[in-house]
Amino acid sequence: DVKVTQSSRYLVKRTGEKVFLECVQDMDHENMFWYRQDPGLGLRLIYFSYDVKMKEKGDIPEGYSVSREKKERFSLILESASTNQTSMYLCASSYGGADTEAFFGQGTRLTVV
Amino acid sequence: RKEVEQDPGPFNVPEGATVAFNCTYSNSASQSFFWYRQDCRKEPKLLMSVYSSGNEDGRFTAQLNRASQYISLLIRDSKLSDSATYLCVVNNPDDKIIFGKGTRLHILP
Repeated sequence: DVKVTQSSRYLVKRTGEKVFLECVQDMDHENMFWYRQDPGLGLRLIYFSYDVKMKEKGDIPEGYSVSREKKERFSLILESASTNQTSMYLCASSYGGADTEAFFGQGTRLTVV
Repeated sequence: RKEVEQDPGPFNVPEGATVAFNCTYSNSASQSFFWYRQDCRKEPKLLMSVYSSGNEDGRFTAQLNRASQYISLLIRDSKLSDSATYLCVVNNPDDKIIFGKGTRLHILP
């Protein structure tokens, strides 16, 4: 079975802190994604990566950065956390190309106080 | 126009009834299409892919209309366990996977 693992289920951080959300997949997938999910707004793509050290901005990259130093790991970084970044963060991975399923991690619920 | 649009619902449907959802997408170059299911407080999981010729998986039928740029999901003989949020998903040529906001379905006993 494909496994996508996010490092934390719940996190509470203070405004201004630097926050790292880690995601690891074990299926040698080329593509990895970070989404945030908020009530009424659905899943919104923050960043995605189609190869090691490659990244593309999604729809809402402001306030976030990413790192992909190894194929299996994709990190989301909040340089200076703000209360409007309180959300559920979901990592996903997939093989490249069309007709490929995305597999999700269990999500990290981040609260910024 | 949003990339992927769905009616948010909720759809409140009696058990045993048939229910259908539609979803429209804006990028005519979109390559592949899916329906995902998300239960409360859980991550989304693939329900089924959507093929041009239409496809069926048990009580679920998916259709794609490329000319009108919409996809549909039909659930027959609905069960209580079908209650969930159904997400329309589109893969674009740049490998971006775009989700609709989801349609909430409540099956009523």
